[in-house]
Amino acid sequence: QSALTQPASVSGSPGQSLTIYCTGSTSDIGGYNYVSWYRQYPGEAPKLLIYDVTNRASGVSHLVSGSKSGNTAFLTISGLQSEDEADYYCGSYTSSGNLLWVFGGGTKLTVL
Amino acid sequence: QITLRESGPALVKPTQALTLTCTFSGFSLSSSGMCVTWVRQPPGKAPEWLARIDWDGDKYYNKFLKTRLTISKDTSRNQVVLALTNVDPGDTATYYCARIRASGWAAEDWGQGILVTVPS
Repeated sequence: QSALTQPASVSGSPGQSLTIYCTGSTSDIGGYNYVSWYRQYPGEAPKLLIYDVTNRASGVSHLVSGSKSGNTAFLTISGLQSEDEADYYCGSYTSSGNLLWVFGGGTKLTVL
Repeated sequence: QITLRESGPALVKPTQALTLTCTFSGFSLSSSGMCVTWVRQPPGKAPEWLARIDWDGDKYYNKFLKTRLTISKDTSRNQVVLALTNVDPGDTATYYCARIRASGWAAEDWGQGILVTVPS
């Protein structure tokens, strides 16, 4: 069981906007601005999309954005395209004790 | 251009030790703020953080695995080594090394990963 909770799957039509949530606690998302988001295609390594809650990584489309409210972080993808179909993971620094960095369980995004 | 590449055995027998090497280019681990981390991902599952080593030699571990993990660096060879002792089938995963950006907690550049299998 992952420390951060994400929906197992989301889906949307081309052109739509989608938001994926990532829920943690005051020990991670709620307490620090070290939330990151990753996209992963099958058989490939994860790719950084968002770091420090809201900052887009180099080369990432402006259609991708991150935010946070309380203990929950959000990844929004606007103008869905077929190439957005992938697995998405959130990550956060944590002060929980046994770990310093935790990931969410992942969300499979399907473009209808 | 920053690149990282993992190398090591694809198959390890239970109870044996696993040693993985991350060879990187495009940055120096002796430069202030540079950090390299190891993350593994079991087939079909989420990533799991393992360890991190910083430019100043500080090391951080997943404490659930702490007694079995060792991370080290060879700055002159641009390598970071991860050792995991007493492996079991639960250690079967793709192991990635990645560069952490600016002393934070986001992996900006990743290696392609190496699948390590521990048979039952």
